[in-house]
Amino acid sequence: GIQVEQSPPDLILQEGANSTLRCNFSDSVNNLQWFHQNPWGQLINLFYIPSGTKQNGRLSATTVATERYSLLYISSSQTTDSGVYFCAVELKETSGSRLTFGEGTQLTVNP
Amino acid sequence: DAGITQSPRHKVTETGTPVTLRCHQTENHRYMYWYRQDPGHGLRLIHYSYGVKDTDKGEVSDGYSVSRSKTEDFLLTLESATSSQTSVYFCAIGGRGGNEQFFGPGTRLTVL
Repeated sequence: GIQVEQSPPDLILQEGANSTLRCNFSDSVNNLQWFHQNPWGQLINLFYIPSGTKQNGRLSATTVATERYSLLYISSSQTTDSGVYFCAVELKETSGSRLTFGEGTQLTVNP
Repeated sequence: DAGITQSPRHKVTETGTPVTLRCHQTENHRYMYWYRQDPGHGLRLIHYSYGVKDTDKGEVSDGYSVSRSKTEDFLLTLESATSSQTSVYFCAIGGRGGNEQFFGPGTRLTVL
């Protein structure tokens, strides 16, 4: 099956710092989503980005589908950005719509 | 926020007992999913549904069954719970045809 690899696995930042999270995937995809899982376990949709670049406030994401990777940028990080960031992809050749998740990047933002 | 609720939100049960988790949506979406999340892992698909009475297996379906008799409800059943099924279970809706998936709040299940 498709492999989804996220890096780094852990990241510790001081408040105000910028960071880049990476997601590599092994096959062509229909869909790529970034999620933030907050400390209470809730999964929050950040981006639906099968290709191209999107921005939402301090967060932006870029997916280069031809090279099979996506990047999530967090600028001017805040303590509320702490949590786990997941990348998830849907294969092009599937009969259903199933997301395969990476193992996540654990982000800790210290005040 | 997508209208997805899960019940119960927490459950503790004993090995060998049957357990049913419920997912309810108010978005009238065709596709619904059940995932499980274990420590140190992303979510893994258990089963999904692409319409009333239409379901299919995901990557970790052993020991689980599902049913969907109405568009808004998707039930996950553990016929005889085992300790390896202790996990957090998430329901999701959406996907397919360029639509993103949205997740419910999760159910924390502990099997003793």
